[in-house]
Amino acid sequence: DIVMTQSPDSLAVSLGERATFNCKSSQTVLYSSNNKNYLAWYQQKPGQPPKLLIYWASTRESGVPDRFSGSGSGTDFTLTINNLQAEDVAVYYCQQYYRFPPAFGGGTKVEIK
Amino acid sequence: EVQLVESGGSLVQPGGSLRLSCAGSGFTFSSLWMHWVRQAPGKGPVWVSRINSDGTSTSYADSVKGRFTISRDDAKNTLYLQMNSLRAEDTGVYYCARGTAGYSDSWYDYWGPGTLVTVSS
Repeated sequence: DIVMTQSPDSLAVSLGERATFNCKSSQTVLYSSNNKNYLAWYQQKPGQPPKLLIYWASTRESGVPDRFSGSGSGTDFTLTINNLQAEDVAVYYCQQYYRFPPAFGGGTKVEIK
Repeated sequence: EVQLVESGGSLVQPGGSLRLSCAGSGFTFSSLWMHWVRQAPGKGPVWVSRINSDGTSTSYADSVKGRFTISRDDAKNTLYLQMNSLRAEDTGVYYCARGTAGYSDSWYDYWGPGTLVTVSS
């Protein structure tokens, strides 16, 4: 099974600043035939289900603000939040869907400094 | 508007059974893979099970294989999860989630609000 590891566990960022955190997969999630990375990012606020932010590692879901961006390839991925807003306080999870079974990371908690 | 609403969660004793339901609306329910994902308190989500659009193909996480059964009734736009021989480690919020057309595994673009299952004596 592919294991997803996120870092750091938590970080505190000032309003208006940039938040950057990482996701590493134990095996590649890049499918060479279509050059797509089978990696998604979600945001989860307390008491709510996860909300899809990004899929194919860098494609933003409809309606997601463009301050959220995903990058990376193969086994190493990054989610960046530019101009952090108060409403971005949440836990962020990555998920691989390249190989069965699909797997989520342990999450990164973003707080306001 | 796409909606998924789970129901059926409750407190159950170890070894007991429970049936969860997920009612879908606002989309063509019968055309998509559907999934169950659970989340223990303070932990990340964990995929549990999936079923294809016509109900002929199902898959399970190793931790629930042989104990849980996923099914669907497309006439009622409803997804089910029959959970037997429940264990304490099955405790958590259970979400149904919508997959993406054409992919057995994909991202999940819509999730229900979840239903809480607590396994405890």
